[in-house]
Amino acid sequence: DVKVTQSSRYLVKRTGEKVFLECVQDMDHENMFWYRQDPGLGLRLIYFSYDVKMKEKGDIPEGYSVSREKKERFSLILESASTNQTSMYLCASSPQSGTGGEAFFGQGTRLTVV
Amino acid sequence: AQSVTQPDIHITVSEGASLELRCNYSYGATPYLFWYVQSPGQGLQLLLKYFSGDTLVQGIKGFEAEFKRSQSSFNLRKPSVHWSDAAEYFCAASYNFNKFYFGSGTKLNVKP
Repeated sequence: DVKVTQSSRYLVKRTGEKVFLECVQDMDHENMFWYRQDPGLGLRLIYFSYDVKMKEKGDIPEGYSVSREKKERFSLILESASTNQTSMYLCASSPQSGTGGEAFFGQGTRLTVV
Repeated sequence: AQSVTQPDIHITVSEGASLELRCNYSYGATPYLFWYVQSPGQGLQLLLKYFSGDTLVQGIKGFEAEFKRSQSSFNLRKPSVHWSDAAEYFCAASYNFNKFYFGSGTKLNVKP
């Protein structure tokens, strides 16, 4: 069974802390994504990566950075957490081409910044 | 700019009734189209996808969707809703699998 695994389901962090959200996929996908989900706003793309060490900004990259040192792992970093970053974070992966090109999602990490 | 619109934020249907969730996309050409379902506190699960060919696609859990190029729509349907279908549904579009654009979601409530 294909899997995208996010390291934490729930996190509580303090304002100003550096926060790492980890995501691992076992499908050998080239593309990996980080989305933020807020009620009424759907999923908004923070960053995506199409290869190791390659990344591109999505629609809301401010306050975030990412790291992709290995193909299977994509990390989201909040350099200095703020309360407006309290949200559900979803990681996804997809192949770069072909007929099976849907995005596969992890279970999500609900982050609360206090 | 590319966008996906789901005009209905909340929908309530009675168990056993039929369901249609609307989705419209705004693209220069026909994108790849997807419907996902999200149960509370969970990630997104793919229901079905349209890449090309037959405009009526079948998915899991008895869902189907119809692509209509003339209306730029990809509406999700189910003939008879079950209480377990209560969830949030997202329509998504992609040109090249490097970016997926999601609608804002439709929350489905099912009345007993």
